[in-house]
Amino acid sequence: QSALTQPPSASGSPGQSVTISCTGTSSDVGGYDYVSWYQQHPGKAPKLMIFEVTKRPSGVPDRFSGSKSGNTASLTVSGLQADDEADYFCSSYAGIELPYVFGTGTTVTVL
Amino acid sequence: QLHLQESGPGLVKPSETLSLTCSVSGGSISSGGYYWDWVRQAPGKGLEWIGNIDYSGQTQYNPSLKSRATISMDTSKSQFSLRLTSVTAADTSIFYCARHGGPGAGIPRAFDFWGRGTMVAVS
Repeated sequence: QSALTQPPSASGSPGQSVTISCTGTSSDVGGYDYVSWYQQHPGKAPKLMIFEVTKRPSGVPDRFSGSKSGNTASLTVSGLQADDEADYFCSSYAGIELPYVFGTGTTVTVL
Repeated sequence: QLHLQESGPGLVKPSETLSLTCSVSGGSISSGGYYWDWVRQAPGKGLEWIGNIDYSGQTQYNPSLKSRATISMDTSKSQFSLRLTSVTAADTSIFYCARHGGPGAGIPRAFDFWGRGTMVAVS
């Protein structure tokens, strides 16, 4: 399986929304409801923001939301804040042969 | 709160074996329902899943590594480890250890805890 495709960058002003796409195939994103999203600030450990397409772990603000349509999953960050400026990447379960694939990553800039 | 920390040499010579350890604190690596994973990111590239081990010692690996990777666990030290043999410059990466939920009620099927990563250069 190939990496999931994400746009290299996305941006928005404080208070606005930004949506990041994650496109795979019917063998990964489209085939399972096991898409997750991660936020990573420079030099820090990745942080789980969304799991199983739409669920938020405890402590993650509801400004972060996930969805999926066909082979494309999306992460929306509403009410952008300065601290949301980070790299975001998606991941999907992809079956027994290669269980996990990752997205190419998106850098979000808060203007 | 679970905490994972990678350790190991930052520089490995070509054709030699890369060895890394992930130390886990704040929770047990012996509890069922979770996988303990290694993930890497080459400079300028995306993340690549390397493999994992579960509480019983069962392992899974990325086929692209062609059997060069071996993951083991030492529950007495609350650690799991990665060995990658016959390394080349293409293996230069930041290596992360992480926990992934498996099939089980109430367990997120995602990488819910990660280490900060350790950079390993092959040169």
